[in-house]
Amino acid sequence: DSGVTQTPKHLITATGQRVTLRCSPRSGDLSVYWYQQSLDQGLQFLIQYYNGEERAKGNILERFSAQQFPDLHSELNLSSLELGDSALYFCASSAQGAGYGYTFGSGTRLTVV
Amino acid sequence: AQSVTQLDSQVPVFEEAPVELRCNYSSSVSVYLFWYVQYPNQGLQLLLKYLSGSTLVKGINGFEAEFNKSQTSFHLRKPSVHISDTAEYFCAVSDPYNFNKFYFGSGTKLNVKP
Repeated sequence: DSGVTQTPKHLITATGQRVTLRCSPRSGDLSVYWYQQSLDQGLQFLIQYYNGEERAKGNILERFSAQQFPDLHSELNLSSLELGDSALYFCASSAQGAGYGYTFGSGTRLTVV
Repeated sequence: AQSVTQLDSQVPVFEEAPVELRCNYSSSVSVYLFWYVQYPNQGLQLLLKYLSGSTLVKGINGFEAEFNKSQTSFHLRKPSVHISDTAEYFCAVSDPYNFNKFYFGSGTKLNVKP
């Protein structure tokens, strides 16, 4: 157990629907990151939150949004889902400061049918 | 944006043989470098990292990596691999303006054969 908890582990939904992925960071970590892993795009950085505030944005679609709550858990909302959104979505957390590296959760596998 | 190139998508190797997984990155400024391992159906685990100092970095499970600034490379090595090392390995480079944002390579699948 890495200490980063992601739920659910698997999600199957239809095109056009909306889903919410949840992440609880490792105890003490203030930063949360979301990554999308797909066969054709590899690991793509989506977004970073630090202590409730958005810090960096990557290749996140406008249909996607995220937030980090006061208890530091984070949610990634995916709406108007398309077949191409099927992927593994990872959450990672890190300690404050640079160079600590990430602790990854085990991911949520999203399948859009 | 940073570019991270893992030259080999798959590396087959026999058990107890040495292995090198290659990683090159594009940056002329200081960055942090990492190697992660992903076992099937799991998240990524940190193997080792280079922040500064000695260019030879030792990590977990007997892996080591060497930072070469002139060649902008950070190759991962293990002198003798085990079946349990079969996994996918990712090289990652920090964004020089946001050290907590990483760019990942496309991954190298290491297949250790008995």
